[in-house]
Amino acid sequence: QVQLQESGPGLVKPSETLSLTCTVSGGFMSTYNWSWIRQSPGRGLEFIGNINYIRLTDFNPSLKSRVTMSVDTSRNQFFLLLSSVTAADTAVYFCARQVYGVYIFDVWGQGILVSVSS
Amino acid sequence: DIQMTQSPSTLSASVGDRVTISCRASQSISGWLAWYQQQPGKAPKLLISEASNLRSGVPSRFSGSGSGTEFTLTITSLQTDDFASYYCQQYNSFPWTFGQGTTVEVK
Repeated sequence: QVQLQESGPGLVKPSETLSLTCTVSGGFMSTYNWSWIRQSPGRGLEFIGNINYIRLTDFNPSLKSRVTMSVDTSRNQFFLLLSSVTAADTAVYFCARQVYGVYIFDVWGQGILVSVSS
Repeated sequence: DIQMTQSPSTLSASVGDRVTISCRASQSISGWLAWYQQQPGKAPKLLISEASNLRSGVPSRFSGSGSGTEFTLTITSLQTDDFASYYCQQYNSFPWTFGQGTTVEVK
């Protein structure tokens, strides 16, 4: 069965770029969207954006100016870059699989806490 | 963005109780609503899609109903594993948005 695992730094300095990787195991990346969602006490669950295997992306307009996503299907990985971070970007970041055309999140990674602090 | 509002924020219940959680959308989302369960320190788990479609492997004590702007998640005969937080998510209009959550705690 498909499993997702986030990885990356747990601490990022203000104004720098947050960089996370999600590794997909046990399945193929085609026919799904691959998403990033974050959770914080202040904002709750917030959809960040998604990418598919042909690199088409959709980003939440609230974050669009700061978000970059990419995918490497040969390594079964997809990536999140969030630039110019502030303390408000401190959150648990989840990667998730999104059913194409239905837009529900049926498989999630365990999440990674990223803190923004100097 | 479509705002999703859940009530109550916290619900105290006992094993065996029937529990109902409400989710209201700021505009009609037809039946494009999902429910998730989240245990502390874990990722959300998809329970229900299309407002009432129970996902494979989810116990039948969970059920969902509603359409338009008003939705309900019901747990009949609450079990120990069900003490958790529950979130609704709309997928009618981009960006996809979640409710703020309802925590079911031990009474």
